[in-house]
Amino acid sequence: QKEVEQDPGPLSVPEGAIVSLNCTYSNSAFQYFMWYRQYSRKGPELLMYTYSSGNKEDGRFTAQVDKSSKYISLFIRDSQPSDSATYLCAIWGNNRLAFGKGNQVVVIP
Amino acid sequence: DSGVTQTPKHLITATGQRVTLRCSPRSGDLSVYWYQQSLDQGLQFLIQYYNGEERAKGNILERFSAQQFPDLHSELNLSSLELGDSALYFCASTKDGSSGNTIYFGEGSWLTVV
Repeated sequence: QKEVEQDPGPLSVPEGAIVSLNCTYSNSAFQYFMWYRQYSRKGPELLMYTYSSGNKEDGRFTAQVDKSSKYISLFIRDSQPSDSATYLCAIWGNNRLAFGKGNQVVVIP
Repeated sequence: DSGVTQTPKHLITATGQRVTLRCSPRSGDLSVYWYQQSLDQGLQFLIQYYNGEERAKGNILERFSAQQFPDLHSELNLSSLELGDSALYFCASTKDGSSGNTIYFGEGSWLTVV
């Protein structure tokens, strides 16, 4: 069983829509939960991180963690064309980040 | 700009050859990670160094090796290259490697093996 599962399907949404992304993880010992954004052929950049179950908001972005279900989510409100990128969930444990495969999001003007 | 510098940005080499990828971590960061990103496997953790010592090992092939030098820069050596080694190789750094909320990635080295 992979440590982090993220259905890597692409996602196309119209501008202004809500984007919903999610991942599951297997190891309950994992402590930090991150979302990275990666533009084409660039390095991943840290978007948000959370430590505990619950919601964390940062502008149009909300990260949600449910430790009981081992489920993490990212919501992007009022999506913009500039949000078009690949979004990767990542879990910190055993001294390194384990990544999901990423979702390519395209926001259509 | 994350502050993590990787060179070269692109390289093309033939099967069987050896290449060295270089990484300079952010100022003050003691820990360096190497990741490989391919289309089918996603971002895979290879190896971590902390202040010159290997701390964690992931899916790193025996043909690959890495080290971190006293000035904290790191090198990833890839030898006996195969077509399947074509990928983006990322270096990331953090202060002490004890938590995951301050890991910053470089722009990557794009390796093409022909």
